[in-house]
Amino acid sequence: QLQLQESGPRLVKPWETLSLTCTVSGGSISSRDSYWGWIRQPPGKGLEWLGSVWYSGHTYYSPSLKSRVTVSVDTSKNQFSLRLTSVTDAETAVYYCARHRYTNGWGGFDYWGQGTLVTVSS
Amino acid sequence: DIQMTQSPSSLSASVGDRVTITCRASQSLINYLNWYQQKPGKPPRLLIDGASSLQSGVPSRFSGSGSGTDFTLTIISLQPEDFGTYYCQQSYNTLFTFGGGTTVEIK
Repeated sequence: QLQLQESGPRLVKPWETLSLTCTVSGGSISSRDSYWGWIRQPPGKGLEWLGSVWYSGHTYYSPSLKSRVTVSVDTSKNQFSLRLTSVTDAETAVYYCARHRYTNGWGGFDYWGQGTLVTVSS
Repeated sequence: DIQMTQSPSSLSASVGDRVTITCRASQSLINYLNWYQQKPGKPPRLLIDGASSLQSGVPSRFSGSGSGTDFTLTIISLQPEDFGTYYCQQSYNTLFTFGGGTTVEIK
């Protein structure tokens, strides 16, 4: 059973960089049909996809964040990471990592981490 | 950008009721539409992908239909454990946009 777990600082100062890592267990991050993504959810609000990465390092990003977001992969550690620069307090949210697949088209996000609340505050 | 509009934004229904949630896209998705259920404090759970393909372990009272721009999630007989917020999400293109959500309350 695939499991994902987010880790990283829970408190980030405004205008600094948010960095999170997702550790994948129970399966290989190098699976050719799997992409690995980050989704966030501000308290009491809806879901926003941020970006996804393939094991090769190929990425897709949300256009609204493209200049500030980086998603990377470390296959040796079975991990992938999120880096979001110049954060504001409006980016306080639960950050989820998740897996989605591409097989004759994109599927849904079928495995999720439990999420980690990151607070942006001075 | 593809805009995803869900309706209603919330509903209250009784156990045993048939519940229908609608998702409309601003352009055709063919059938690249997914549905999630989220309970408070938990990550979303994928219920249906490809508009109508039920995920393993999801009760058969859930079903999805539609194509193009208009999609529906139906719960044929609402159960107490079905409370939560339901989201649609497009996977037609690599923007992976989510709808605003529909909160289901059990009367």
